[in-house]
Amino acid sequence: AQTVTQSQPEMSVQEAETVTLSCTYDTSESDYYLFWYKQPPSRQMILVIRQEAYKQQNATENRFSVNFQKAAKSFSLKISDSQLGDAAMYFCAYAYAGNNRKLIWGLGTSLAVNP
Amino acid sequence: ETGVTQSPTHLIKTRGQQVTLRCSSQSGHNTVSWYQQALGQGPQFIFQYYREEENGRGNFPPRFSGLQFPNYSSELNVNALELDDSALYLCASSLVGTGNTEAFFGQGTRLTVV
Repeated sequence: AQTVTQSQPEMSVQEAETVTLSCTYDTSESDYYLFWYKQPPSRQMILVIRQEAYKQQNATENRFSVNFQKAAKSFSLKISDSQLGDAAMYFCAYAYAGNNRKLIWGLGTSLAVNP
Repeated sequence: ETGVTQSPTHLIKTRGQQVTLRCSSQSGHNTVSWYQQALGQGPQFIFQYYREEENGRGNFPPRFSGLQFPNYSSELNVNALELDDSALYLCASSLVGTGNTEAFFGQGTRLTVV
């Protein structure tokens, strides 16, 4: 069975600094997707960034980038130039590239941004 | 805004009652997935509906059931509510059958069972 592990329940960062959130996963599949979602107090899950497993190049979206290590089954999120609005729960999620692409989630990391 | 709307936003029910949660999917999407997020946990997959048929189910008992309508909106029904059913219920809509992998989430329904 696939699993996703986030080992950092809470993290904090100073505004304008850089922070890295960790995620590891376990799967026997070779074709899958990985995601980072942000959940602010409004509760709505917002996609931050996604990575296709077949792509060797790490995904980037503005201030957000990932370090995807397929052999190590590691998928960390780096947030550069942190902003107050980045404060939220961050979830790492996995989806097998099969029929229904159900998301399997980690427990989340609560990120605080200090002014 | 994602275009996915859920109703109601909050709900309080008594143990043993039944509840129906609703989700309006994003225009053009053909698939709706439901997730349960207990307090302090990550979401857990309940089931998915694709073109009005169930297309995968997580480890939830049969008292959790669903429907998808021709306009691709969806309902989640829970019978014989238990205290442990208290959670945030998230609906996600997507377009399966293309290379697009993104799921768009609604704001969730907070269910409290007392």
